[in-house]
Amino acid sequence: AQKVTQAQTEISVVEKEDVTLDCVYETRDTTYYLFWYKQPPSGELVFLIRRNSFDEQNEISGRYSWNFQKSTSSFNFTITASQVVDSAVYFCALSEATGNQFYFGTGTSLTVIP
Amino acid sequence: KAGVTQTPRYLIKTRGQQVTLSCSPISGHRSVSWYQQTPGQGLQFLFEYFSETQRNKGNFPGRFSGRQFSNSRSEMNVSTLELGDSALYLCASSLASATNEKLFFGSGTQLSVL
Repeated sequence: AQKVTQAQTEISVVEKEDVTLDCVYETRDTTYYLFWYKQPPSGELVFLIRRNSFDEQNEISGRYSWNFQKSTSSFNFTITASQVVDSAVYFCALSEATGNQFYFGTGTSLTVIP
Repeated sequence: KAGVTQTPRYLIKTRGQQVTLSCSPISGHRSVSWYQQTPGQGLQFLFEYFSETQRNKGNFPGRFSGRQFSNSRSEMNVSTLELGDSALYLCASSLASATNEKLFFGSGTQLSVL
């Protein structure tokens, strides 16, 4: 069965603090894809990153970084030096090789306090 | 390039009625997916259309249906509305030259069933 767990429902940090959003997934497939999306108050989900199961390299994009560990089935997302504009709900998602269906976690609501 | 456009933005219906939601994908995108987002269940996959054919379907009752036109625009229909159908309905498009590509989301249609 496929499942994505984001145990942190809500997180509040003070501006400029670093914050890590956790994501744990379950799948029986050996080929799969992991995603992170950001949903600001406007409602539209914004794509942040896509990673396939064969690429365990960590990735950094500006203040964002992602840590993919197959051994623990985790794909965590870190925001460095958080800003108020980072306040949003963040979703982790899994897609298997067959089909284009995405399984989303329940999201983590991040509030960055100025 | 215009993004994914969903209309209407808000809808209020009463139980037993039916509703049709519309989605125009990004130009050139051939795959359109629909997701239901509720506070309790998060984002759940409804179905995906590619080249006017339903390619994947989630675990929703037959009251939920959709279609895709030759220009890739898609509609979703919910018949015999129930209170539990109140949700944000999100449409997403992708190029779909392969599966598991990143999805581009619209801002959604907020449906309230009274």
